Amino acid sequence: ETGVTQSPTHLIKTRGQQVTLRCSSQSGHNTVSWYQQALGQGPQFIFQYYREEENGRGNFPPRFSGLQFPNYSSELNVNALELDDSALYLCASSPRDSQETQYFGPGTRLLVL
Amino acid sequence: GENVGLHLPTLSVQEGDNSIINCAYSNSASDYFIWYKQESGKGPQFIIDIRSNMDKRQGQRVTVLLNKTVKHLSLQIAATQPGDSAVYFCAETGYSTLTFGKGTMLLVSP
Repeated sequence: ETGVTQSPTHLIKTRGQQVTLRCSSQSGHNTVSWYQQALGQGPQFIFQYYREEENGRGNFPPRFSGLQFPNYSSELNVNALELDDSALYLCASSPRDSQETQYFGPGTRLLVL
Repeated sequence: GENVGLHLPTLSVQEGDNSIINCAYSNSASDYFIWYKQESGKGPQFIIDIRSNMDKRQGQRVTVLLNKTVKHLSLQIAATQPGDSAVYFCAETGYSTLTFGKGTMLLVSP
């Protein structure tokens, strides 16, 4: 267990709705990254937050947005959900002295109907 | 990345055998590599890492080899156990964004 927690564990939404996923980083970690993992594939980088600001973004549309809070926890928001957004959403946190090393939470399984 | 759907490369071994999982990475500028293990329904678990200034690094029962010339990474698991059954991903990074490979499913039979 890494100490990274995510909520909820599972979620079902319908197309067009909005969703917010939450992540608490491991103690001592100040960087949070979000990934989308479709079934049978490797995780794809969405974005990263450091000191409450976006610190890099992958090839995802603007309807994917995020926040990081002063306690380093983070949210991923997805607007106008599409069927292809169904996936496992993973949060990873990194320690101050090694931003490259990322430790993952258990993920939130999102199903869009 | 390339869509491999549900058909992950699979390595089947017997308990006690040594396993070797291979990975080809894409970016010659990447200088840090990580192997992750992902069990069904769980997030990726850090196994071992290696920097580009090294060729080999050993952990407990695991060894990672890096060949920068051909951009190849391998994970060796000694005395494979049923609990090692999972999907294994290699990931590369040049700064802080991880790029994952396609994954290999390891099946260990008793």
